[in-house]
Amino acid sequence: DGGITQSPKYLFRKEGQNVTLSCEQNLNHDAMYWYRQDPGQGLRLIYYSQIVNDFQKGDIAEGYSVSREKKESFPLTVTSAQKNPTAFYLCASRNVETQYFGPGTRLLVL
Amino acid sequence: QKEVEQDPGPLSVPEGAIVSLNCTYSNSAFQYFMWYRQYSRKGPELLMYTYSSGNKEDGRFTAQVDKSSKYISLFIRDSQPSDSATYLCAMAQPAGTALIFGKGTTLSVSS
Repeated sequence: DGGITQSPKYLFRKEGQNVTLSCEQNLNHDAMYWYRQDPGQGLRLIYYSQIVNDFQKGDIAEGYSVSREKKESFPLTVTSAQKNPTAFYLCASRNVETQYFGPGTRLLVL
Repeated sequence: QKEVEQDPGPLSVPEGAIVSLNCTYSNSAFQYFMWYRQYSRKGPELLMYTYSSGNKEDGRFTAQVDKSSKYISLFIRDSQPSDSATYLCAMAQPAGTALIFGKGTTLSVSS
């Protein structure tokens, strides 16, 4: 079954803690993306990667980090420098024409 | 001027109505146009994809692109309560650049 998986579905972060969100795809897409979605603000691009071992900052990269060691995987780390991390995080992958999203991870702060 | 403008709604219609959702854009280089449907607390689902201008139909859904007016539309015929969701338009230039999204229109179809 082809698609994008994200885990966990819910994630709780304590003050000062780094947390990592997983994103895996088996669509053989080169490009992968991370978005943050807040109520009333639409989708905001955090980071994207168009090829393995390369990635670029999006519009709101501060407080986040990524890696792209494998084509299938694009994990996102929310660092302690991100002061307002509570949001719905969406991973996506894209071929030339179309983009598909994962089911999302909801991050909450304890 | 924002690159993509989309009326956030909310839009409320009775079951069976024809729904028209629209986006305008400013960048004439956009070639790929997409519509996504997002249910609450779920990831966006790709509904329709169009390359360049023209119409595309899939069941009750029709996507239209008018590049001369920089205007795209999604029509939903015979709307159902299950169509109640947020609809996002998205567009991109060629060569794998990031999609630019509208903020989404919230649709409610009442039975």
